[in-house]
Amino acid sequence: SAVISQKPSRDICQRGTSLTIQCQVDSQVTMMFWYRQQPGQSLTLIATANQGSEATYESGFVIDKFPISRPNLTFSTLTVSNMSPEDSSIYLCSVEDLGNTQYFGPGTRLTVL
Amino acid sequence: GNSVTQMEGPVTLSEEAFLTINCTYTATGYPSLFWYVQYPGEGLQLLLKATKADDKGSNKGFEATYRKETTSFHLEKGSVQVSDSAVYFCALNRGSTLGRLYFGRGTQLTVWP
Repeated sequence: SAVISQKPSRDICQRGTSLTIQCQVDSQVTMMFWYRQQPGQSLTLIATANQGSEATYESGFVIDKFPISRPNLTFSTLTVSNMSPEDSSIYLCSVEDLGNTQYFGPGTRLTVL
Repeated sequence: GNSVTQMEGPVTLSEEAFLTINCTYTATGYPSLFWYVQYPGEGLQLLLKATKADDKGSNKGFEATYRKETTSFHLEKGSVQVSDSAVYFCALNRGSTLGRLYFGRGTQLTVWP
């Protein structure tokens, strides 16, 4: 399985600011995914990021609020823009192997004051 | 549509007790089914998976069988340990190129010594 790292592991931010989360994979993958896990909740898919094309966003998520970059096959970033306390969550990236199994990074724990 | 319904928690057991966490699904096509585990303060780890009907996934003493006739994928363990305390998520993947995972709400398991 792929080894996935995320930076930062946690952060505390002021409302109105933006935070960029990095996701690094130790092997080349076609599909990367970004999820949000609000406190005590399950995971919600934000978007799917394929290299060389724009990210595909799920209903309720927009590019202006969550811009995503995917410059190569091992790296992606998610930016949480103009943050409010409601954005306090764990943000996780994942990758999918050839057997349609997803593996997750350790997550970024974001608190917005 | 695609959805996962998971047993409500929290579940509290004594060490060495038998564990069952129920999971049923609704899906179009032929999904793959997964159990993920999230230990306190960590990201999601794949626990086990099954890709077709009657497959049994197993890992670390946990088992789940893909039952197409009852659309179920219940998680079981014969003798739980304190270290099994975590949140368990059932999920399905449609197996398409879109790669989206549909998650259940998660079940919090606490095991007392």
